[in-house]
Amino acid sequence: GAGVSQSPRYKVAKRGQDVALRCDPISGHVSLFWYQQALGQGPEFLTYFQNEAQLDKSGLPSDRFFAERPEGSVSTLKIQRTQQEDSAVYLCASTFSRGNNEQFFGPGTRLTVL
Amino acid sequence: SQQGEEDPQALSIQEGENATMNCSYKTSINNLQWYRQNSGRGLVHLILIRSNEREKHSGRLRVTLDTSKKSSSLLITASRAADTASYFCATGGGFAGSQGNLIFGKGTKLSVKP
Repeated sequence: GAGVSQSPRYKVAKRGQDVALRCDPISGHVSLFWYQQALGQGPEFLTYFQNEAQLDKSGLPSDRFFAERPEGSVSTLKIQRTQQEDSAVYLCASTFSRGNNEQFFGPGTRLTVL
Repeated sequence: SQQGEEDPQALSIQEGENATMNCSYKTSINNLQWYRQNSGRGLVHLILIRSNEREKHSGRLRVTLDTSKKSSSLLITASRAADTASYFCATGGGFAGSQGNLIFGKGTKLSVKP
């Protein structure tokens, strides 16, 4: 029974590079969330998928951020032309159904932009 | 933006003592959840209390909820060194917390000294 997995666990990028962060949710989980966690802060919501549909992307900080979940399972968060302020831990979480329930989090990807 | 605040921001106690953390939030909720985060295991769900509940227990954890004051508390009894972590409260996003994404506070950093 695997939990939520994310890769890579650590990513160092030079300013201006594009990065892609992957999330494998728990099998059968309908809802998938991406959060950004800055150092010393709580996670902040980025975007939400129900199956393959992106229902809310209101938390994405700029149009450089793009997320997809084409087959309703694995999701990728892409950040184009990375900036230093993008440095954070990116967390993925999944739940079995929609609604405000317990979420299962992955270990996160720590992104450092130099 | 974050939903509310936990206090204290940091708490240091001896093993065996009780630890109390408080959380305030801003909008109406369906439920409130508490999560723990440490470097070893990522963000883990601890307990969920529904808006029509006032108190809930789970092992050494006791959570209270006062919807009139928009506040919650988490009590950890007989603390252990392994309880050292950051603790976050979280409420649901969207109207009355129905959307599914979580809104986290800034967290309380608990240190339990052996």
